[in-house]
Amino acid sequence: QVQLVQSGAEVRKPGTSVRVSCKASGYTFTSYYIHWVRQAPGQGLEWMGVINPSAAAAAYAQNLQGRVTMTRETSTGTVYMELNSLKSEDTAVYYCARGWELFGGKWFDPWGQGTLVTVSS
Amino acid sequence: QSALTQPPSASGSPGQSVTISCTGTSSDVGGYNYVSWYQQHPGKAPNLIIYEVTKRPSGVPDRFSGSKSGNTASLTVSGLQAEDEADYYCSSYAGSNNYVFGSGTKVTVL
Repeated sequence: QVQLVQSGAEVRKPGTSVRVSCKASGYTFTSYYIHWVRQAPGQGLEWMGVINPSAAAAAYAQNLQGRVTMTRETSTGTVYMELNSLKSEDTAVYYCARGWELFGGKWFDPWGQGTLVTVSS
Repeated sequence: QSALTQPPSASGSPGQSVTISCTGTSSDVGGYNYVSWYQQHPGKAPNLIIYEVTKRPSGVPDRFSGSKSGNTASLTVSGLQAEDEADYYCSSYAGSNNYVFGSGTKVTVL
């Protein structure tokens, strides 16, 4: 079955970086985009950006431009999201989700289980 | 990109219906038929329940329905059941590979 499995929880100090992975299985990795969405504690969902695993091209939310980088490793079917210059406001659960753009769709399904990133001094 | 506007809460008794609105602009909700809705239970990842304004993925009960008029999309849950108690988020494509989510609505089954 289609699955997105994310890496485990991380704790970082302000000003450092974090990299979260999302391993896809059960489908052709290069046929679907991967989006990243985050959710701060008790808050709503925030779209962060998207990567096309086939072309390795990525697009990022304007408020994260310059701090976020999304990459992929085709050999393992894994997508990575790296966030730099971490602030306490970046404390959140980070989700990856499959996008259907290459089939003309613009929704997210399914989602990974989420990765908690805590930024604290 | 500002978040789409949803009411913070909605409620209904079992068997009743509840409708959640999602208001954006002509640059997102009003400009594309790419509104989707997600259900999120506490501590869980979101789950797709409506895509392309009105379509339901297989396995989603037909109690869930979507619609759109102008810059406002809506999700209706008919015949409320206890398991429908959750947070609901709308999302819209906003052009140029950008997306925006709604602020979220907590649905309580009384």
